[in-house]
Amino acid sequence: DAGVIQSPRHEVTEMGQEVTLRCKPISGHNSLFWYRQTMMRGLELLIYFNNNVPIDDSGMPEDRFSAKMPNASFSTLKIQPSEPRDSAVYFCASSFTITTRMNTEAFFGQGTRLTVV
Amino acid sequence: QKEVEQNSGPLSVPEGAIASLNCTYSDRGSQSFFWYRQYSGKSPELIMSIYSNGDKEDGRFTAQLNKASQYVSLLIRDSQPSDSATYLCAVNSGYSTLTFGKGTMLLVSP
Repeated sequence: DAGVIQSPRHEVTEMGQEVTLRCKPISGHNSLFWYRQTMMRGLELLIYFNNNVPIDDSGMPEDRFSAKMPNASFSTLKIQPSEPRDSAVYFCASSFTITTRMNTEAFFGQGTRLTVV
Repeated sequence: QKEVEQNSGPLSVPEGAIASLNCTYSDRGSQSFFWYRQYSGKSPELIMSIYSNGDKEDGRFTAQLNKASQYVSLLIRDSQPSDSATYLCAVNSGYSTLTFGKGTMLLVSP
């Protein structure tokens, strides 16, 4: 398996523009996570999907952020409009969850480095 | 607020020494615990998982869990310069999500 695949690897955009980040989880995994990493705040969970259904989106900063998972092999994270404070590395991770209380290992994609100028 | 605390470091050890990395967590209901290694500019890479109290060994790595003290540790024996990285502690915090500490930077000098 190729692992979790994210695109693009780097994105530079102007403030106010729409940004869409993409993720393909590992085949067979039923949980997908979007994380954001900054020096100040570390890795923060934005949203968690289980079986394509959003379970926990309490980490989504505000209405400018939205995420979808239309099928088991694809997810998007969209920021509209983007702001300079959104600059960070965005990671997608996937895992196979046996129960809702016990997590198995999560594997990360290579990340998307977003810069909003 | 579920929290995972780690000393940011850097923790400096000479090559061949034992590196000891520590983590505490606030949610007593946590059931799964993980250590990730992250090289600069790269993504987190899973190196150890532990689910029950005690020690778990994998090669040069040993994870230790004490649920009563809400404490997880990672020991790296015979540390190598290639072990220099940031080590992230992650804890299952309900609904199968993971809460991460901010990481401890480890520097292994030749």
